[in-house]
Order: sequence, then structure tokens, then C-alpha cells
Amino acid sequence: AQSVTQLDSHVSVSEGTPVLLRCNYSSSYSPSLFWYVQHPNKGLQLLLKYTSAATLVKGINGFEAEFKKSETSFHLTKPSAHMSDAAEYFCVVSEPGGYNKLIFGAGTRLAVHP
Amino acid sequence: DAGVTQSPTHLIKTRGQQVTLRCSPKSGHDTVSWYQQALGQGPQFIFQYYEEEERQRGNFPDRFSGHQFPNYSSELNVNALLLGDSALYLCASSLGQGKRGNSPLHFGNGTRLTVT
Repeated sequence: AQSVTQLDSHVSVSEGTPVLLRCNYSSSYSPSLFWYVQHPNKGLQLLLKYTSAATLVKGINGFEAEFKKSETSFHLTKPSAHMSDAAEYFCVVSEPGGYNKLIFGAGTRLAVHP
Repeated sequence: DAGVTQSPTHLIKTRGQQVTLRCSPKSGHDTVSWYQQALGQGPQFIFQYYEEEERQRGNFPDRFSGHQFPNYSSELNVNALLLGDSALYLCASSLGQGKRGNSPLHFGNGTRLTVT
């Protein structure tokens, strides 16, 4: 069975400092991995996706993630946090065969302080 | 280009009642998936509709049912509501069941269901 574990439920950073949100995955297959962001009272927005191409994936709003098979990790990073980055972030793995049946982690709430 | 739209945005129901939630997919999409997001948790897959049929189902009881119409819009029905059904219900659309690599899910803003 496939699963993802987000290692931190809450992360707090100061504006302008780097962001690191950690995710480990478990998959019997070559996984498709995603990061989604959810702002309060909003739906989910895709930040980036990994689908067995380049291991370093660049997404929107300056975010990127690196797929490390040896560590079964897919951590999300951003060099410099902005106040607007405050939101809930979900690491996600998809079932083989398509992108519709997504398995979400429990989420990491990112707080950004001035 | 309209994205995924859901209605209503908020709903309050009583235990034992039935509820219907509605979703219109993003223009050009033909597949609709529904997710339940309980407070403080990640979304959980309920089911997927494609060509007006349920194609995949998550670990949800038969009280949860759905429908897809010829215009690709979809409804989620929940019967005999329980307090534990209180959650944000998210609809997501894609093209071709999401099997095409360039068609990830697009999510709506959700319907917040409160069961009292």
C-alpha cells in the first residue's frame, strides 16, 4: 500500500528565511508525488509534481522539491519565505494508473512571522 | 475559463438526514473525483466518476453515493448522516480519468458540511 508521512505538523519561520517541509513516502511502485497547498477556506492548489523525470522538481511561487529514492523522501523547500506562503501543505502520492486517487499526508501548517 | 465550482459553500444538517452536494468540473474536463477532508486531516478519496459511471471507490460506506450527468457535472449524496460526516467535501476534476500525464486534478473550494 502507498502512503506518505509528513514529519512536521507545524513549521514556523520568519519572513525571508528558508522553508523546509519534510515528507517521506512508501510505495511499491515508482511513485508519482505531489505537493499541494491549501489556503484557509480555499481548495487545494498544485504546487509541483514528480513523475520519474528530473529528481529536482520546480513548482510555482518559488517552491521546489527533490525526490530521493534512497531516502524515500520528497521534501519541499523555498529559499525565502513570504507572508503569503502561510497555509497548509500536503504531500501526496497517487495510486498507479492515474492521478485521480490521491493519498494525502496529514498536512503541515506553515506559519510565517514578520 | 471557469474552474471547478461547488455548491453550496456551507450546509448544516441534522443526524439522520440526507444531503446532496453539487460540482461542475473545469471546462474541458470529463472526470470528477470527490474527497472528504475532516478537520485537521488530509483529504480522503471517496470515489471517481467517468463516463457517468463510478470507476474507483475509496473506503467509504454505501451511504455515500454519487452521480455524473452527461454534461460531466456531478453530485455527491450522503444518506443517514452521522456526526462524523461533518467535513469539507472537495470536488476535483481532470481529463481522461487523470491517466494522461498532463492532467492532474483541479480542486474546487469545497462544501463545508456540518452535521448536528
